[in-house]
Amino acid sequence: DTGVSQDPRHKITKRGQNVTFRCDPISEHNRLYWYRQTLGQGPEFLTYFQNEAQLEKSRLLSDRFSAERPKGSFSTLEIQRTEQGDSAMYLCAIAPSSYTFGSGTRLTVV
Amino acid sequence: AQKITQTQPGMFVQEKEAVTLDCTYDTSDPSYGLFWYKQPSSGEMIFLIYQGSYDQQNATEGRYSLNFQKARKSANLVISASQLGDSAMYFCAMREGRRKGGGNKLTFGTGTQLKVEL
Repeated sequence: DTGVSQDPRHKITKRGQNVTFRCDPISEHNRLYWYRQTLGQGPEFLTYFQNEAQLEKSRLLSDRFSAERPKGSFSTLEIQRTEQGDSAMYLCAIAPSSYTFGSGTRLTVV
Repeated sequence: AQKITQTQPGMFVQEKEAVTLDCTYDTSDPSYGLFWYKQPSSGEMIFLIYQGSYDQQNATEGRYSLNFQKARKSANLVISASQLGDSAMYFCAMREGRRKGGGNKLTFGTGTQLKVEL
């Protein structure tokens, strides 16, 4: 139990399809982050929420990506018109003091 | 310029021996935090240890210790008495600023793959 639940754990999708991932912190935390990790690299920051407000977005977050945190608890990350380059592990993290990560969603675009 | 540099793509260590994983960082912010995470093949990121830039003592957590050399901008992770279960990818990360207006996001290095052998 990491304190952050991510669903699904794995997703295989065809190029051009839309996908949505969900992140559920077990307890309430103001700050929630999304990261992307490609093979052989460290995680890279995508976006950050303070409660329901999306306060920062990385240049990596193209127009095809959108994230929401409607009630300041769970968050969703949607990728529209997926491309093969979107294949990666998508990690969600909350930050009380140390940063607690979920187990991630591994996306494969075929 | 890389903010976090991990120069060892892979490391081998024998069981019960100690191993040091290198990490250097680059920041002009006087307030920052350094983190180490372990990532097994299953993918989850497991927090190991944290060092704040103003902390006077090197951080320790069980078999993990952080060799913090501020002048050299290095924050090496030392794992003592290695176990087979320590085999994993290890990432060094930095948070700049202390709850400034930004999100205090983490910047990660490229990681070191540690293999513990019998």
